[in-house]
Amino acid sequence: EAQVTQNPRYLITVTGKKLTVTCSQNMNHEYMSWYRQDPGLGLRQIYYSMNVEVTDKGDVPEGYKVSRKEKRNFPLILESPSPNQTSLYFCASSLFSIRALNSPLHFGNGTRLTVT
Amino acid sequence: QKEVEQDPGPLSVPEGAIVSLNCTYSNSAFQYFMWYRQYSRKGPELLMYTYSSGNKEDGRFTAQVDKSSKYISLFIRDSQPSDSATYLCAMSVGSARQLTFGSGTQLTVLP
Repeated sequence: EAQVTQNPRYLITVTGKKLTVTCSQNMNHEYMSWYRQDPGLGLRQIYYSMNVEVTDKGDVPEGYKVSRKEKRNFPLILESPSPNQTSLYFCASSLFSIRALNSPLHFGNGTRLTVT
Repeated sequence: QKEVEQDPGPLSVPEGAIVSLNCTYSNSAFQYFMWYRQYSRKGPELLMYTYSSGNKEDGRFTAQVDKSSKYISLFIRDSQPSDSATYLCAMSVGSARQLTFGSGTQLTVLP
């Protein structure tokens, strides 16, 4: 089954304790992206990657890191989490080519992070 | 002012009703317009996609884009309890990937 898999689904941590949220897709998609979803603010893009070793900042990148060493994986790293990073996080992937401009985003089922 | 404005609801309708969901936007460069549906504890999934102005129909769903008014709509006919979800409008300039999302409208269809 074609899917985007995020782990963990739920995570509670304390301020300053480094954490990683994993994302993996099995659709051979070049493009991957991380979003956070907050009430009243909708989905906001954190980072995106157009292919292996190519990453770029989205709208709200502060406090986050990403890496793209393999095509299928795109982990999100919080080096020193703070309470304002408490949110619902989504990973998404898509085809990326000039012929696939209208290729839709496929989303994972989310990771709910609480930082105390 | 946000680039994309969407009434958050919540919106509650009886089964069989026609539902109208709307978004307004300020960036006239937007060309791709999408509606995503998000069930509770799930990720968003693409429901409808349109490019430029006009209407697009898919079963009980109709997406409408009015670029002159910077206004998009999603109509759901004969709404069902299974349509209960949060509906997110999304739009972009250059492709269907780099999206600006509305904040979502929570819809409940009562049996």
